[in-house]
Amino acid sequence: DVKVTQSSRYLVKRTGEKVFLECVQDMDHENMFWYRQDPGLGLRLIYFSYDVKMKEKGDIPEGYSVSREKKERFSLILESASTNQTSMYLCASTSGDDTGELFFGEGSRLTVL
Amino acid sequence: KQEVTQIPAALSVPEGENLVLNCSFTDSAIYNLQWFRQDPGKGLTSLLLIQSSQREQTSGRLNASLDKSSGRSTLYIAASQPGDSATYLCAACCNAGNMLTFGGGTRLMVKP
Repeated sequence: DVKVTQSSRYLVKRTGEKVFLECVQDMDHENMFWYRQDPGLGLRLIYFSYDVKMKEKGDIPEGYSVSREKKERFSLILESASTNQTSMYLCASTSGDDTGELFFGEGSRLTVL
Repeated sequence: KQEVTQIPAALSVPEGENLVLNCSFTDSAIYNLQWFRQDPGKGLTSLLLIQSSQREQTSGRLNASLDKSSGRSTLYIAASQPGDSATYLCAACCNAGNMLTFGGGTRLMVKP
């Protein structure tokens, strides 16, 4: 079975803290994505990566950065967390071929106080 | 820019009913269309993926169809069960970079 693993299911952080969200996939996928999901706003793409050390901005990159040092791992970084970054964060991956099936992790619920 | 709409936003049916969830998209030049299920507080689980050259896909009690010319996809659930209660999302993929555009989802409740 394919697997995308997000390291933390629930986090509580304080305003101004640096936050790392980790995502690992075991499918040798080229493409990895970070989304956030909020009630009434749906899923919004933050960043994606199509190769090691490559990254592209999504629709809402402000306040976030990412790191992809290894193919299987894609990290989302909140340099200075703010309350408006309280959200559900979802990592996903897909192969680079034409099938394009997207696989998601279980999500990380972040609360910033 | 692609826009994906799912109507209704919420649906409640008695157990055993056959039901159809709708998904419409504005740009017919899609790569594929994928249906997902999401349980509360969880990630998305892929249900069915329809490539642009296909008309439908089936998995168990689920059948998804795709009509690119009309910009529509439907997810048919046969003999619904309480365990089918979840939010169902569709997503259209429009380029080789695998950038999906998601619909807002339909929240389904199947009552025993």
